[in-house]
Amino acid sequence: DTAVSQTPKYLVTQMGNDKSIKCEQNLGHDTMYWYKQDSKKFLKIMFSYNNKELIINETVPNRFSPKSPDKAHLNLHINSLELGDSAVYFCASSQAHLDTQYFGPGTRLTVL
Amino acid sequence: SQQGEEDPQALSIQEGENATMNCSYKTSINNLQWYRQNSGRGLVHLILIRSNEREKHSGRLRVTLDTSKKSSSLLITASRAADTASYFCASSGAGSYQLTFGKGTKLSVIP
Repeated sequence: DTAVSQTPKYLVTQMGNDKSIKCEQNLGHDTMYWYKQDSKKFLKIMFSYNNKELIINETVPNRFSPKSPDKAHLNLHINSLELGDSAVYFCASSQAHLDTQYFGPGTRLTVL
Repeated sequence: SQQGEEDPQALSIQEGENATMNCSYKTSINNLQWYRQNSGRGLVHLILIRSNEREKHSGRLRVTLDTSKKSSSLLITASRAADTASYFCASSGAGSYQLTFGKGTKLSVIP
């Protein structure tokens, strides 16, 4: 069974649209993350979240917002998509902050 | 920034040879982790080494940590074509709740 899953795997959309990427983990972990990997493979933390707090990387535009309906899910909502948002987005989870992280397969977002 | 920097950026070796990748970081750390990413896939955790540890092994992998030099190395012995991937180090600074990843070393193992 897949430990961390993301949907969709590919997402192609027009500038200005609003889109969501879903993430689910079945590991019982308390902490989940969203990362952005650009075309040069640089992986950047966007958010980390557990049932107590949301930690936001200050460089992330407020067009990006995480939504957690329950401990096993952390979805990423993106408003008013821009060309520069094109990247691969990875969800990850860990038992606690700074523990081993388990990554999802990634969602390749292309903004036209 | 706590960002780690891997060295070299790319490495190409023959199957059976050893591969060594290095990582440097800027401030004191809680732990340092190494991950592998195959093309088009998510990252897979390899080894976590804590700041009070100097060396760890896992199968053909050996990780060292030198906190005085703020550096770590990942050694893959007897490499295989399946080891072809990008390798990332990730560290967390004291007081930080997040990992910061380096830019990765792209390893190519030629059969």
